[in-house]
Amino acid sequence: GENVEQHPSTLSVQEGDSAVIKCTYSDSASNYFPWYKQELGKRPQLIIDIRSNVGEKKDQRIAVTLNKTAKHFSLHITETQPEDSAVYFCAARNFGNEKLTFGTGTRLTIIP
Amino acid sequence: GAVVSQHPSRVICKSGTSVKIECRSLDFQATTMFWYRQFPKKSLMLMATSNEGSKATYEQGVEKDKFLINHASLTLSTLTVTSAHPEDSSFYICSARSLAENSYNEQFFGPGTRLTVL
Repeated sequence: GENVEQHPSTLSVQEGDSAVIKCTYSDSASNYFPWYKQELGKRPQLIIDIRSNVGEKKDQRIAVTLNKTAKHFSLHITETQPEDSAVYFCAARNFGNEKLTFGTGTRLTIIP
Repeated sequence: GAVVSQHPSRVICKSGTSVKIECRSLDFQATTMFWYRQFPKKSLMLMATSNEGSKATYEQGVEKDKFLINHASLTLSTLTVTSAHPEDSSFYICSARSLAENSYNEQFFGPGTRLTVL
């Protein structure tokens, strides 16, 4: 089955700087890669996703890049703000398989 | 966006009792719902895939008789933790997949249920 690795497990960034979180996946058939933000005790919220027919996608301060050959994808947050502090999870899914496989999570702390 | 609710949000029970958790898609229909378990500071672990009108598909290592899943309608799935023990204490989260054609099969998560077994 699919295996998703995520790094780093914790990340502290000065407010205003950029944050990058990286994930690798094992199943070359995976073609959907969402990113979720989870605040303490709350539900995961989809913040951005990318499909395998696209190499990059951007939504305001958030961007995701995908390298299918290397089987890795990354989340980029620019101009970080205190409210960006949360745990971020990457995930991967093969469209023929309904299941999402999650990464281990990254705890992002924005230092004011 | 699509809304998924869970009830209860928090439950404390005695060891040996059974607890039922409901997951509802409020404004869309979902033939498939997913049940996850999340330990503190850990990732979401898929327990089972709940299919409307048929038996749930459990992940390896998840006891079917321990975690009973029923998906009776297109908007409701229930997870019953039977004969709960302290080690079952966890955060349980459901998600539902939208049937809408342009939804790209996006999953929408419920707010979670924190179960504490004394």
